[in-house]
Amino acid sequence: GAVVSQHPSWVICKSGTSVKIECRSLDFQATTMFWYRQFPKQSLMLMATSNEGSKATYEQGVEKDKFLINHASLTLSTLTVTSAHPEDSSFYICSAGASPYEQYFGPGTRLTVT
Amino acid sequence: GQQLNQSPQSMFIQEGEDVSMNCTSSSIFNTWLWYKQDPGEGPVLLIALYKAGELTSNGRLTAQFGITRKDSFLNISASIPSDVGIYFCAGQETSGSRLTFGEGTQLTVNP
Repeated sequence: GAVVSQHPSWVICKSGTSVKIECRSLDFQATTMFWYRQFPKQSLMLMATSNEGSKATYEQGVEKDKFLINHASLTLSTLTVTSAHPEDSSFYICSAGASPYEQYFGPGTRLTVT
Repeated sequence: GQQLNQSPQSMFIQEGEDVSMNCTSSSIFNTWLWYKQDPGEGPVLLIALYKAGELTSNGRLTAQFGITRKDSFLNISASIPSDVGIYFCAGQETSGSRLTFGEGTQLTVNP
């Protein structure tokens, strides 16, 4: 149990285009999901907290108009990187809480912007 | 903001050796979690700790929640090559809240 999936697993896009990443909890419902960004050889950096039925909460320094988050249902949250640029290239990972205390992570999405 | 100091940053050990890594925090957490991340993958939850002083095992892994609520350690016994990866500690202030991650410990196991 407690499986989180992400789609796509990797994506290459051209500068200026938008990319949507999906995060799904497969066998449980999650009112809260989290989106992280990870650069090579670094720890996970929380970008935003996605709340079902309400607006996402963004961490300081994360542009909410650039990283659009939609938590459409109790099993799906999406992150859209708008007008992507090469500096947005990174590994994006989502997590969801199967219980109040445990968070399970998706397999990640590798984004490369050319 | 909160900070988690995780050490060591990296470890190179021989297969069969035991490993210990730890995290300390400047503030109190009510939950400590330990994750392992393989290259190109998301972190996988290894052990969750909920009470100060708690000692929990998962196979060859043992983790403890410090009495002060500001630290935790993870031990791996009799390491094997598949233990290679990055281990992260994470603290959670309250249930359902955001996680604060340590910087990770890169473990290399030589056969």
